Formats: sequence, C-alpha cells, structure tokens
Amino acid sequence: QSVLTQPPSASGTPGQRVTISCSGSSSNIGSNTVKWYQQLPGTAPKLLIYSNNQRPSGVPDRFSGSKSGTSASLAISGLQSDDEADYYCAAWDDSLIGWVFGGGTKLTVL
Amino acid sequence: QVQLVESGGGVVQPGGSLRLSCAASGFTFSSYGMNWVRQAPGKGLEWVAFIRFDGSNKYYADSVKGRFTISRDNSKNTLYLQMYSLRAEDTAVYYCAKLSNGDGFDIWGQGTTVTVSS
Repeated sequence: QSVLTQPPSASGTPGQRVTISCSGSSSNIGSNTVKWYQQLPGTAPKLLIYSNNQRPSGVPDRFSGSKSGTSASLAISGLQSDDEADYYCAAWDDSLIGWVFGGGTKLTVL
Repeated sequence: QVQLVESGGGVVQPGGSLRLSCAASGFTFSSYGMNWVRQAPGKGLEWVAFIRFDGSNKYYADSVKGRFTISRDNSKNTLYLQMYSLRAEDTAVYYCAKLSNGDGFDIWGQGTTVTVSS
C-alpha cells in the first residue's frame, strides 16, 4: 500500500488530453512539493515535473503539473504513442522523514 | 556526460549481505545529496535511503532501517549501499539517483538487480 494514491491505469487516444491524479496527506503533498516521474518500459525513471509544476529542460510543454491541498495531478495534452509509460508521483513526507511515491499509473495510448 | 552507474548486484541467500556501488561522473558529486530507490519485479518505485552531500545526514525507509547503510566517498565520486540480513522482499532493481538543487531526482542510474533467494 503506497502512501500516495494513484489510479493504477489511465488511457487515451492520440491527440487527446489525459490527467493522472495523486492523493496524499498533510504530511506529504499538503506541506511539500510534488514531483512526477515517467518510466518507459525497461528503462530507469525520468524526472518529468518538479516543484509541483516545473519542467526540467527537455521535457515538452505537453506535460504539466498542478497541486491543490493534499492532491496533485499530471496532465498530458496532445497524447502521443511514445507517452505510453508508467507515471509516478512523489513527495517528501515530514512524518516518515523520507520520500514517498505513489503506486504508479500505467498509461495506455489506444 | 552526466552519468550514474550502479554495480554490485547479484544473487544472495536470505540472511546474506551485499554492497552496491554507484559511480558518478559529469557533475560535482560532492555537492549533491544522493538516494537509493528500488523497484521490485512488476511493482512500483520505493525510496530506500538518502545521504546528504557531505554525509552528515542519512535517512532510511522503515523497511530497511537497521539493515541497510548508505555511505559515500566524495574523493572517489561513489555512493554505496551496504545491505545486511537480506530478505526475499528485498529482491528488486536498485537505482541510485541524484537529488537536484531545484527539487526531485534528476539523474538516475540504469539500475542493478538484487535477487534474494535460496
């Protein structure tokens, strides 16, 4: 059971906009910034979003993040076939004194 | 180029020990906090341990506290994870990851596989 809660799966068609939610608590998302990671099949994770809504250089602006209270979401617009991957949210947890991840969401592009 | 390369994984019996290494290059290793993150087969990511840039602070996940030790040698640009009393549930791909100044783990290694089995 992960500390942060994500839907196990999401799907969309090419060109569509999809969102992935991430729910936490006051000790993690409620008081710290949220990051999102993309893990393509068979590869290491890649930082997609940091500080709730910031993109590292090289990440397309099709990817955006937001946070409200103890929840966050990742939006992907103009869905492409190579967006098919697992997506994880993460945050520092003040109670556990460590980083916590969501269980991951498997995105399928139909 | 900026790179992290893990090594030291393998097959070990329950109760055994193993030491993982992570060699860093392409950035000033001694300026950044470092982490170990693992992923069990078919499962999600689990943060394991963090060490501050100078080694002065270390944090561990409850699942490994008292059994794993994170350390670093800034003169060798290398991060370590010493694992004791290994259990079947420690079987995973272990990644080292750099903590960026901005936020988040911005550089990841390719991972090294640890299998705990008799």
